[in-house]
Amino acid sequence: DIQMTQSPSSLSASVGDRVTITCRASQSISRYLNWYEQKPGKAPKLLIYAASSLQSGVPSRFSGSGSGTDFTLTISSLQPEDFATYYCQQTYDNPRTFGQGTKVEIK
Amino acid sequence: EVQLMESGGGLVQPGGSLRLSCAASGFIFSSHDMHWVRQVPGKGLEWVSAIGTAGDTYYLGSVKGRFTISRESARNSLYLQMNSLRAGDTAVYYCAREGHGGGYAFDIWGQGTMVTVSS
Repeated sequence: DIQMTQSPSSLSASVGDRVTITCRASQSISRYLNWYEQKPGKAPKLLIYAASSLQSGVPSRFSGSGSGTDFTLTISSLQPEDFATYYCQQTYDNPRTFGQGTKVEIK
Repeated sequence: EVQLMESGGGLVQPGGSLRLSCAASGFIFSSHDMHWVRQVPGKGLEWVSAIGTAGDTYYLGSVKGRFTISRESARNSLYLQMNSLRAGDTAVYYCAREGHGGGYAFDIWGQGTMVTVSS
């Protein structure tokens, strides 16, 4: 199985900060990497697919980059509604493994 | 509106069975691969199973032989039959649609249904 490792596991940031979350795959997954946001008690929401494509309706302050084994999710200017947990997911092979999550908290 | 709605969760004893359902609406159900993902409360997401448009199925290793995924296009429904349930299967179970936008991403999710395995 492909292991996905996110870092950091949690971070504290202020509104307006630039936030970067990284995701590393245990083997090359090309660009089959997606990012989701989850708020407490809610289902995950797709933000970025295929490493860098912005899902329809998602604000442009979210961006993704990377290929192979190393990927990044960036929030250019953190907004109050962005405090949530973020997960990466590989869809290169089954099982479609997720990272352990990164919780973004208010500083 | 594009929507998925799970049902069928509940409390079951270890070794018992449960069948989850996921009702799809607002899109052509038969043209999308579908997935089940679970989440232990307070923990991360874990992919469980998938079914393709042609009925091909895939499972997480720990549920293979115990869980069965199926779909019924006439009813726009996805199912997960869970047998020989264990305490470790306790989680919120989400159904999710695999989108056509690229990357095989899960673009639509249901609200989840809670499964508790306990005596």
